[in-house]
Amino acid sequence: DTGVSQDPRHKITKRGQNVTFRCDPISEHNRLYWYRQTLGQGPEFLTYFQNEAQLEKSRLLSDRFSAERPKGSFSTLEIQRTEQGDSAMYLCASSLYRGGIDTQYFGPGTRLTVL
Amino acid sequence: AQKVTQAQTEISVVEKEDVTLDCVYETRDTTYYLFWYKQPPSGELVFLIRRNSFDEQNEISGRYSWNFQKSTSSFNFTITASQVVDSAVYFCALSEADSSASKIIFGSGTRLSIRP
Repeated sequence: DTGVSQDPRHKITKRGQNVTFRCDPISEHNRLYWYRQTLGQGPEFLTYFQNEAQLEKSRLLSDRFSAERPKGSFSTLEIQRTEQGDSAMYLCASSLYRGGIDTQYFGPGTRLTVL
Repeated sequence: AQKVTQAQTEISVVEKEDVTLDCVYETRDTTYYLFWYKQPPSGELVFLIRRNSFDEQNEISGRYSWNFQKSTSSFNFTITASQVVDSAVYFCALSEADSSASKIIFGSGTRLSIRP
């Protein structure tokens, strides 16, 4: 069973540039989550999708951030006009939600460095 | 408000020692779920266990065991006969049942180093 994959694994960019990350969930998982993890901290929830619908966004997700899951499979997270404070690990997780609680399985993350 | 506290920032033990990672949580919900995840140096969070608030039975899986005590709002994790491969950052986490998102609130993690 293929796990959650994320691309790229590392991204270095200059302040002000736009970046886009991709997440491919476990096949047939209907939920997809994005988290951000800064050094020495646990992951923080950003947003999640159920199929193609984005159902919740954290207040951490500023207007410069946008996420999509157009066909209910892979998802992209775009950051526009990056700032140094955006430097973090961006984690994607997926789950099979059938009501109740779902267990989230995480990908390896994309480490973003903004210079 | 939900909160997960892992007071131990770093722990270092010698291989084969037993080690317990502490986790204390806060929630106003009566139904909630607790998790432990492992994050090795590769960075990928690995799911270890999920418990719901109605099941206080302790669980053992090989060298791993978990002690859930609602009276003290704790969900501690013990590794018996630790091995170097256990070196990682371990996160305790909480999810409230009435949150439709099932979003997970993580603690800040405990970095565990096992010395040979």
